[in-house]
Amino acid sequence: SAVISQKPSRDICQRGTSLTIQCQVDSQVTMMFWYRQQPGQSLTLIATANQGSEATYESGFVIDKFPISRPNLTFSTLTVSNMSPEDSSIYLCSVQDRGFLYGYTFGSGTRLTVV
Amino acid sequence: QKEVEQDPGPLSVPEGAIVSLNCTYSNSAFQYFMWYRQYSRKGPELLMYTYSSGNKEDGRFTAQVDKSSKYISLFIRDSQPSDSATYLCAMSAGPGGSEKLVFGKGTKLTVNP
Repeated sequence: SAVISQKPSRDICQRGTSLTIQCQVDSQVTMMFWYRQQPGQSLTLIATANQGSEATYESGFVIDKFPISRPNLTFSTLTVSNMSPEDSSIYLCSVQDRGFLYGYTFGSGTRLTVV
Repeated sequence: QKEVEQDPGPLSVPEGAIVSLNCTYSNSAFQYFMWYRQYSRKGPELLMYTYSSGNKEDGRFTAQVDKSSKYISLFIRDSQPSDSATYLCAMSAGPGGSEKLVFGKGTKLTVNP
């Protein structure tokens, strides 16, 4: 299965600032997915990032708040902009692994605390 | 009604017990059902997957899907302390990223030695 390196693993940020999370995959993948995991809540899909096109955002998430870059088939970034304490969460990237048979592989996540 | 309901627990069992984890769902279009295991401070890892109704067994783990009742289960036999983790059910209407995955909230399991 794919190996995902996600950075940073955790951060504490001041409100009003922005944080960029990086996701590096050890193989080329078509789609990369960004999720949010809030305490006591389901994993929620933020957006799907395809190389060479604009990311597709789920209802409730907007590009101005969560801009995504996908410069090549192995790398993506998610920026959490103008942060507030409500953005404190775990953010995870995920890739579909060599066909649906193998499901989806997730990074270890970025634990973000906004103070 | 949420699309996927999962009792968050926590669930605490002695080593060797049989564990039953369950999810219910409301969307009859769901065809693909998965269980993920998430250790503390780690990302979810795929444990089991099934397509449509039926049972699937892999070692100590058995996944069951009852589409008529919109109910899925994961059974863990001879549970071990290393099984202590949060278990997430997930499901989708289509394969391969064509339809998004919808997750339950997860059930936190502790297996006591």
